[in-house]
Amino acid sequence: QKEVEQNSGPLSVPEGAIASLNCTYSDRVSQSFFWYRQYSGKSPELIMSIYSNGDKEDGRFTAQLNKASQYVSLLIRDSQPSDSATYLCAVNFGNEKLTFGTGTRLTIIP
Amino acid sequence: DTAVSQTPKYLVTQMGNDKSIKCEQNLGHDTMYWYKQDSKKFLKIMFSYNNKELIINETVPNRFSPKSPDKAHLNLHINSLELGDSAVYFCASSQEHRANSPLHFGNGTRLTVT
Repeated sequence: QKEVEQNSGPLSVPEGAIASLNCTYSDRVSQSFFWYRQYSGKSPELIMSIYSNGDKEDGRFTAQLNKASQYVSLLIRDSQPSDSATYLCAVNFGNEKLTFGTGTRLTIIP
Repeated sequence: DTAVSQTPKYLVTQMGNDKSIKCEQNLGHDTMYWYKQDSKKFLKIMFSYNNKELIINETVPNRFSPKSPDKAHLNLHINSLELGDSAVYFCASSQEHRANSPLHFGNGTRLTVT
C-alpha cells in the first residue's frame, strides 16, 4: 500500500527561525509532490509543488526532494506567527490521485 | 466571490438519518472531488468526477452516493448515517483530472452523527 508519513508534531519554532518539516513516502515510482497548508478550522491550500530532485524556492518557502531516499521536506525561513498551521504532504504515486500524509502541526512562538 | 462553495457548513444529525451536502465551483474546472478528513487530520479521497463522469471511486460504503448534474456541481448523499461517518467533508476542484493539477478546496462541512 502506498503511504505518506509525517511526524504529527506539534513542532514549535521560535519566530524568525527556520522551520523544517519532513515527509517520507513508500514508493520510488512517485512522480510529484506537494505541500498544502491548513489553518485550524479552514481548508487546505497549496503552497508548494516539486517534481524533480533538488531544491525549489518560493519566497520564504523551500521544498527539497530526494527521490533516492524517498523524502521531501519543506523549509520555512524567517518563521512568522502566521505560519502556525498544519502542513500536509501529498504525493502522486502515478495513479492520478493524491495521497496525503496526516500532517505536521507547526506552532511559531513569538 | 467564493471559488468552491459547499453547504451546509455544519451538519448535526442522528444515526440512521439520510443527509446531503452540496458543492458548486465557479472556476470553470473540469474535475471535482469529495475528500474526507477524520479527527486525526487524515485527508482521504472518496470520489472524483471529470466532466460529470465518475473517475475515482475509492473503497467507500455504498451508503455514500455522489451525483454530478453538471461539471460545476457535485453533491454527496449519505444514507443510514453511522457514528463513524463523523468527519469534515471537503469538496475540491481542479482544472483537469491530473494529480499535478492543483486542488482548490471548499470550506468543508463538519458532519457530526450522534
